[in-house]
Amino acid sequence: EVQLVESGGGLVQPGGSLRLSCTVSGFTLSDYYMDWVRQAPGKGLEWVGRTGNKANSYTAQYAASVKDRITISRDDAKKSVYLQMKSLKIEDTAMYYCARTQATAYDAFDIWGLGTMVTVSS
Amino acid sequence: YVLTQPPSVSVAPGKTAMITCGGDNIGSQSVHWYQQKPGQAPLLVIYYDTGRPSGIPERFSGSNSGNTATLTISRVEAGDEADYYCQMWDSPSDHWVFGGGTKVTVL
Repeated sequence: EVQLVESGGGLVQPGGSLRLSCTVSGFTLSDYYMDWVRQAPGKGLEWVGRTGNKANSYTAQYAASVKDRITISRDDAKKSVYLQMKSLKIEDTAMYYCARTQATAYDAFDIWGLGTMVTVSS
Repeated sequence: YVLTQPPSVSVAPGKTAMITCGGDNIGSQSVHWYQQKPGQAPLLVIYYDTGRPSGIPERFSGSNSGNTATLTISRVEAGDEADYYCQMWDSPSDHWVFGGGTKVTVL
């Protein structure tokens, strides 16, 4: 079964750091682009960034709103994708989802994890 | 690039709901649609304007032309009540863009 499971969320103080993980199963991670999407409480979906696949040399792309504060990486052998966030702000409070892109760079997100909640608060 | 969706759409059971996603010349791009029910992760319902993933009912269809992409839900059921989001890749910025979402209420 194809599955994505996020972990690493929690309560963090403003200015702090956090690393989220997305562990995958049921498919070969190196074949796929993987994206991170967040959703603030009661708000819509916001794309955070992505890591390309092996054919794309794992190129990362980031949303302008967070690009100076995040790093997306992956370890195909560990079947995991990571979202490292630093200098966290209150407005980073959100559910963070990882999602698999169907096959190529512009394809839809066909599989989503259940998400992990990040709360930034003092 | 901005994708504009109506905040809400109400529809009676058995009727047709049309959810629009407006953007400058969006018809020249490809649009994906997601359904999100409360407390759940989004679910892909339409890809590349008109494609329907396995397991999505034929009642869900899409179109895209000019400045508007549309998700149409025919013969609406109570279980279709959810938020719906359109999505597009913005090449100039190398970003994915989501619409603000439309809450579909079944009366």
